[in-house]
Amino acid sequence: DTEVTQTPKHLVMGMTNKKSLKCEQHMGHRAMYWYKQKAKKPPELMFVYSYEKLSINESVPSRFSPECPNSSLLNLHLHALQPEDSALYLCATKPEAGRDTQYFGPGTRLTVL
Amino acid sequence: DAKTTQPNSMESNEEEPVHLPCNHSTISGTDYIHWYRQLPSQGPEYVIHGLTSNVNNRMASLAIAEDRKSSTLILHRATLRDAAVYYCILRDEGNTPLVFGKGTRLSVIA
Repeated sequence: DTEVTQTPKHLVMGMTNKKSLKCEQHMGHRAMYWYKQKAKKPPELMFVYSYEKLSINESVPSRFSPECPNSSLLNLHLHALQPEDSALYLCATKPEAGRDTQYFGPGTRLTVL
Repeated sequence: DAKTTQPNSMESNEEEPVHLPCNHSTISGTDYIHWYRQLPSQGPEYVIHGLTSNVNNRMASLAIAEDRKSSTLILHRATLRDAAVYYCILRDEGNTPLVFGKGTRLSVIA
């Protein structure tokens, strides 16, 4: 099973809402990532988790709050977002060591009204 | 991170070979050359990677220049399903995440 699943596929939220994005994998990978991708742009790294601990935060605003409750799950909690946060949010995973392939989920398309 | 330069877009006819170039003149000795592609409405997917020698797999071939300052991804027979954005990415031996450049948007014409 080389699948990374993300839910929901689409999400529309207001600026005062609180919502969460979910990413799940059962490959035993110990590195997990959140990327943000605006239309017609490349993915931009947001957060990296290694062995369920946050190892990289690419200066992401605090209205995005990541969480890794266990080795199979990665969440991204959203609160007080702005319309410019509308984007495709991609989750990726990788075996911890070295230069292994990153596996990406299909993404969650987020629209902030 | 060492940077890569790719053409913004390329076009190919169906069932013809496609050569996607990538320049990486500041590559370091420990940087691997990775290629990923992103089909419309999907997350990126791994295509191929290499260090010094040319590499082949079921999806593509990777030709690496002798000085390693450039590389070429070769799709032997393009199909409509190969229309995607192709990203050339350098990554060192360490446990660093992928950092994407702008990529090349490949269009395939029937």
